[in-house]
Order: sequence, then C-alpha cells, then structure tokens
Amino acid sequence: NAGVTQTPKFQVLKTGQSMTLQCAQDMNHEYMSWYRQDPGMGLRLIHYSVGAGITDQGEVPNGYNVSRSTTEDFPLRLLSAAPSQTSVYFCASRDLRGATNEQFFGPGTRLTVL
Amino acid sequence: GIQVEQSPPDLILQEGANSTLRCNFSDSVNNLQWFHQNPWGQLINLFYIPSGTKQNGRLSATTVATERYSLLYISSSQTTDSGVYFCAINTNAGKSTFGDGTTLTVKP
Repeated sequence: NAGVTQTPKFQVLKTGQSMTLQCAQDMNHEYMSWYRQDPGMGLRLIHYSVGAGITDQGEVPNGYNVSRSTTEDFPLRLLSAAPSQTSVYFCASRDLRGATNEQFFGPGTRLTVL
Repeated sequence: GIQVEQSPPDLILQEGANSTLRCNFSDSVNNLQWFHQNPWGQLINLFYIPSGTKQNGRLSATTVATERYSLLYISSSQTTDSGVYFCAINTNAGKSTFGDGTTLTVKP
C-alpha cells in the first residue's frame, strides 16, 4: 500500500492564480480530509468527506473547494490564490468502519503564494 | 466544538532524559491519537489511545478518558525524538481537532 499520497510536494503561485492539490489513498477509507498548517501552529481542518459524493466544511473552508467523486481521490482547489493561503497542506484518511478509526497523513504540499 | 490543549508548549532536554507531555480535552472522547512531526514535516502516527495505556519501545501513552487527559511519556530521549508532538481528537462524525503541539528539542 502506498497509503496517502499528495502531489505536488512544492508549489509557488502568483496571487489570483488557481490550482488543484491532489490527494489519493489506496486503503479504501471512507473518510478523507484536508488540513493546513501555518508556521508554529497546529493543523486546522479545511474540508472533509465521509464518502464519495459527500463533503463538508471544516474550521477554515473559505477560499477552498473540494469534491469527492471516488473513494480514492479528494482534490483541493484554490480558485484564486491569496498570500494568506501560503501554508503547508496535509491530506489525511481514516477508516470509519475500522476498529481503531486511526487517521493517516500524506507527506504534505508546501504552497507559497506571492 | 471540542477544545484540545497541550502542555508544555516547548521542552528542551539533554539526551538521555525522560519527559512527559500532556493533552487535555474539553469533552469525553472515544478516539485520541498522538503524532510526531519530525523536522522534515512528516506526521508519524505514534499511538491510537482512546483509553488505557500503550507502550512502543521508549514511548508510552496513557489516556484517562473520565478525567479528560492523555499523557505521552518519552524515556531515554534521543536527538531523533526532536520535533513537534500533537494530540488529536477524532469525532465519529468525522471532524478532527488538533492541539497546538509540544515542540521538543533534544540536545546531544
């Protein structure tokens, strides 16, 4: 199993540009989520999904869109990037039906918006 | 929503020392995890521990759910233990709340 994978690892955008951060998992987990981590801070939940076709907002959803068309993929879209979105983005997945409900993280995408 | 507080925020140790990190949470939970974020930014699962005690090598964790806290013990610390330690509460509805972390620096 590759676990949770994210692409790209690094990205630099100009203000106003759009892009999609990719996230995929091969563990057949129903739950997937996106977090952002700003310097010296913990992780804040952006959006999450409990299954294909179902998404919901987390703590800091503004400026981000998500969709979940398959169990495996959960892309995060920035429609018009702003400097305030400079951060490290982590994708995670969990098995909601499993005994432990343990959450697993991808390696992260470091995004800089100029 | 649920509040998660970690202490201390920063900890500096000499190699070989022991330490205890604490995680307090504001509501009863049935799903708590400890993570280590290494200096390269990678988040590593340490323990899934909604209650009781678990041990893995030099690390162990205890959660007392009725008193709403969890402790992470690091014994005989090594420089590779440096990084940030997070606890996270995962709700059955799907949302997760992280504490702000404890930054551990182990000096040789």
